[in-house]
Amino acid sequence: SQQGEEDPQALSIQEGENATMNCSYKTSINNLQWYRQNSGRGLVHLILIRSNEREKHSGRLRVTLDTSKKSSSLLITASRAADTASYFCATDRTGGGNKLTFGTGTQLKVEL
Amino acid sequence: DAGVIQSPRHEVTEMGQEVTLRCKPISGHDYLFWYRQTMMRGLELLIYFNNNVPIDDSGMPEDRFSAKMPNASFSTLKIQPSEPRDSAVYFCASSLQSGAKKYEQYFGPGTRLTVT
Repeated sequence: SQQGEEDPQALSIQEGENATMNCSYKTSINNLQWYRQNSGRGLVHLILIRSNEREKHSGRLRVTLDTSKKSSSLLITASRAADTASYFCATDRTGGGNKLTFGTGTQLKVEL
Repeated sequence: DAGVIQSPRHEVTEMGQEVTLRCKPISGHDYLFWYRQTMMRGLELLIYFNNNVPIDDSGMPEDRFSAKMPNASFSTLKIQPSEPRDSAVYFCASSLQSGAKKYEQYFGPGTRLTVT
């Protein structure tokens, strides 16, 4: 079964608004990543946050991690129509090699 | 680099036929992963290799599924015989074993398999 659960499952916003997606996981992790998947395409890595980090920024992306609550959030600021995609969190564990466990994903639609 | 290459992009086959999906990872990557994505089950890891050696195949659904990696630049996922419930998008991904980007996976475009 999927370790990560994203919330909400679907999100529709207007261009220029901020989009926030949440991810919860079940076991201790080394790192948590966020990936984007455009319709009909493979997943693309966006950002990685380590278990000892609480917040990380990359361009319009802001990721937070709360290991005590086993949760993470992805904030996309000033959204654009091109941000329309599905977003997945993925975690890896100590001793798990490079194996990732993906969440169920949030479908984001940014309307003009 | 061309990225991860998968072929074919689309495959339509009849139940009972053998299906072979192919993947060329990014040159220099040490890990190769096969995933299956469906609306019902999401993204599932089927099997992964490290330096051409299968490490974890616990996600392979049945004996009908097999995967090989004869060398560092090629892997196959075979389904024999195929069944309608195997219909899905199959992704191949690769990653490095060390360095700052060791946990980032690079995905291919996927193979959309339809079994009728």
